[in-house]
Amino acid sequence: RKEVEQDPGPFNVPEGATVAFNCTYSNSASQSFFWYRQDCRKEPKLLMSVYSSGNEDGRFTAQLNRASQYISLLIRDSKLSDSATYLCVVRGDSGSARQLTFGSGTQLTVLP
Amino acid sequence: GAGVSQSPSNKVTEKGKDVELRCDPISGHTALYWYRQSLGQGLEFLIYFQGNSAPDKSGLPSDRFSAERTGGSVSTLTIQRTQQEDSAVYLCASSLGLHTGELFFGEGSRLTVL
Repeated sequence: RKEVEQDPGPFNVPEGATVAFNCTYSNSASQSFFWYRQDCRKEPKLLMSVYSSGNEDGRFTAQLNRASQYISLLIRDSKLSDSATYLCVVRGDSGSARQLTFGSGTQLTVLP
Repeated sequence: GAGVSQSPSNKVTEKGKDVELRCDPISGHTALYWYRQSLGQGLEFLIYFQGNSAPDKSGLPSDRFSAERTGGSVSTLTIQRTQQEDSAVYLCASSLGLHTGELFFGEGSRLTVL
């Protein structure tokens, strides 16, 4: 089983739609969680951290479910500019030498 | 510039040749990471540095791969006797420390082995 698993998509949604991605992780001792965004042929960039209580940044909401070992990203009122690949990232516990593990990404295309 | 700088941006080489990829992290960032991304794939961890030290080299795909970092700054990833399966984008990232989740990536070095 992969350490971090994501539905690769692609998700094709119309502008204004709400879309949600899930990501599961295998290490129950994982400490922290993030969503990164990667545009086509560009480098990944941090989108937001994921806090235990859930957090929101504008149209983006991230949630963590430790019991089920998954995190989610919700995008409301999607824009054309949201089209990208969204990478789920998990940090292991203090004994993890590999630090951050990236999922393979979920591809989103927002259609006009 | 203020960001992570990588060179070369593109490298085409023949099978069997050695290549060197360079990463210049953001000034003051003590942690430096190398990842590899093949077309349409996720990021594959290769190695990280805390200062000049690389505590975990187990992500390097084979002994043809090596990396070093000097002066707590610039890092070089060397691939000896390149193979076609080494073709990928090699991404370098840096962060203020190992305990932050915010990595700043360079634009990558696209390696093509013919």
